[in-house]
Amino acid sequence: EAGVVQSPRYKIIEKKQPVAFWCNPISGHNTLYWYLQNLGQGPELLIRYENEEAVDDSQLPKDRFSAERLKGVDSTLKIQPAELGDSAVYLCASSKDLGETQYFGPGTRLLVL
Amino acid sequence: GDSVTQMEGPVTLSEEAFLTINCTYTATGYPSLFWYVQYPGEGLQLLLKATKADDKGSNKGFEATYRKETTSFHLEKGSVQVSDSAVYFCALQRSGKLIFGQGTTLQVKP
Repeated sequence: EAGVVQSPRYKIIEKKQPVAFWCNPISGHNTLYWYLQNLGQGPELLIRYENEEAVDDSQLPKDRFSAERLKGVDSTLKIQPAELGDSAVYLCASSKDLGETQYFGPGTRLLVL
Repeated sequence: GDSVTQMEGPVTLSEEAFLTINCTYTATGYPSLFWYVQYPGEGLQLLLKATKADDKGSNKGFEATYRKETTSFHLEKGSVQVSDSAVYFCALQRSGKLIFGQGTTLQVKP
């Protein structure tokens, strides 16, 4: 069974530029999560989807971050414009349903110069 | 609010030594508890979990027991290998959200 797929694995951009990350969850998983992991820290939840509906986005900085999950499968997380402090690893995870075990992708490492 | 506290690292051990990484949590009720491992340059992999008090999770020689009286979920392994070198994260799950500790780096030397 294929795991959670994320792309790109690495991204370097200049500040004020836009950037987008893509995630394909495990087949059949209804719940999808985006986490932010700063250097030396544990991941923190940004947003959670139940199918195509965002049900917990309280930690998403909505002035510059946006996310979508069209058709309840793939998801895209966007930052516009990026700031230096956005340099981090962005992790995507999925689970069969809410409360089930979460499985993580390899992450996208973002560096903003 | 809910939180997880792990022992600070790095933890440096020789091969075949005994490993303990302490983890305590603060939460109402009885959340599910997890240990995830992150190898260099990779995402998080589920190592083990426990869903109720006194449960013992185990995998690849690692074990952790859910202790509600001490609100702890310490990770142990009887004999570590160089390949166990990684960052270990303790986490609790509440309303579908994982709350992680800060991570503990383990370095195992030959």
